[in-house]
Amino acid sequence: QVQLQESGPGLVKPSQTLSLTCTVSGGSISIGGYYWTWIRQHPGKGLEWIGYIYYTGNTYYNPSLKSRVTMSVDTSKNQFSLKLSSVTAADTAVYYCATDRGLRGWFDPWGQGTLVTVSS
Amino acid sequence: QSALTQPPSVSGSPGQSVTISCTGTSSDVGSNDRVSWYQQPPGTAPKLMIFEVSNRPSGVPDRFSGSKSGNTASLTISGLQAEDEADYYCSLYTSSSTLVFGGGTKLTVL
Repeated sequence: QVQLQESGPGLVKPSQTLSLTCTVSGGSISIGGYYWTWIRQHPGKGLEWIGYIYYTGNTYYNPSLKSRVTMSVDTSKNQFSLKLSSVTAADTAVYYCATDRGLRGWFDPWGQGTLVTVSS
Repeated sequence: QSALTQPPSVSGSPGQSVTISCTGTSSDVGSNDRVSWYQQPPGTAPKLMIFEVSNRPSGVPDRFSGSKSGNTASLTISGLQAEDEADYYCSLYTSSSTLVFGGGTKLTVL
């Protein structure tokens, strides 16, 4: 059973780059057909899909965030990562990693989420 | 990206049935079966309840069911229980290989 765990700084200054890592346990990140995903949730608000990455490095990003998002995979560490540049207070959110088996548009499992606050 | 419209809130008494709608357009929900539903109790990560319109993952009670008619997908919870109180989100995987969520619906069990 694949499990996911997010990690990274809980506080980022405005204009800097937010960096988060998701560690995959219970299975290989190189499993064929598994697409690794980042999703965020602003405080008290709904869910926002950020993007997908496949273990080969292929990516699909939310058009509204595409100019600031970079996702990567480290198969040796069984991790995938998110970088979001030029952050503002509007990027304050709980960030979740999750997986989509087969790019079918549904996510299971999810990580527990990590709160990132953008503030000086 | 397309927008999926959900009612902000619904409520029901224990034992009753409630339905949460998720409305799109003929270009997205109406022509695509990649609709999923998630349950999110306060302070927890979302949990997959329904995938591809009407399929239940293992472990999800059969009180939860999904359907679609035209441009609207629906999640129905029958035999409502106190533990069902949560936020519910629909999502759609689009033909552009992107993913959009509905705005969420708060379910209150009276």
